[in-house]
Amino acid sequence: AQTVTQSQPEMSVQEAETVTLSCTYDTSENNYYLFWYKQPPSRQMILVIRQEAYKQQNATENRFSVNFQKAAKSFSLKISDSQLGDTAMYFCAFIGNDMRFGAGTRLTVKP
Amino acid sequence: DTAVSQTPKYLVTQMGNDKSIKCEQNLGHDTMYWYKQDSKKFLKIMFSYNNKELIINETVPNRFSPKSPDKAHLNLHINSLELGDSAVYFCASSQDGGGGQGDTQYFGPGTRLTVL
Repeated sequence: AQTVTQSQPEMSVQEAETVTLSCTYDTSENNYYLFWYKQPPSRQMILVIRQEAYKQQNATENRFSVNFQKAAKSFSLKISDSQLGDTAMYFCAFIGNDMRFGAGTRLTVKP
Repeated sequence: DTAVSQTPKYLVTQMGNDKSIKCEQNLGHDTMYWYKQDSKKFLKIMFSYNNKELIINETVPNRFSPKSPDKAHLNLHINSLELGDSAVYFCASSQDGGGGQGDTQYFGPGTRLTVL
């Protein structure tokens, strides 16, 4: 079974600083997709960023960017200029022949 | 004008009861999903339907039965509810999906089920 590992159960960062959330995965597939989802206290699941495995260029979405290392099977999320509203659970997700979510990282942005 | 909606938002019921959670998407997507999020926040896919046909059926008790009357709706019916069924259930949809095409999934607001 393919696994998705988020090794940081909890993290905190000061407002306006940068934080990186890690995600590693295990797969034998060559074509797949990776996602980061955010779940704020409201419980809604919100897409943060998406990466196609066949693309070498790292995806970027405003303050959010990823460091995708296909050979290392690593997909970390960098949040720049952290804002209080970024406080949430962040889930890494793998979609290939099946779908897997990581256990989540609880991020707290401190004022 | 909510893209993916679920009803009810909260559901409290007694053990042994049968209940349903409804999901509707107005995005014109072909694929819909049900996820279970347990108390430790772990998200696990349960089912996926593509154009009303079941394409993913993970190992879940057969007390759980998805029903898709049309491609905009995927309802989850649960028979003989047990304490361990208490969780938040998320519905999601994607344009195609088809079991792994990597389309972005849009999630509903979740339904918190509490079994007493």
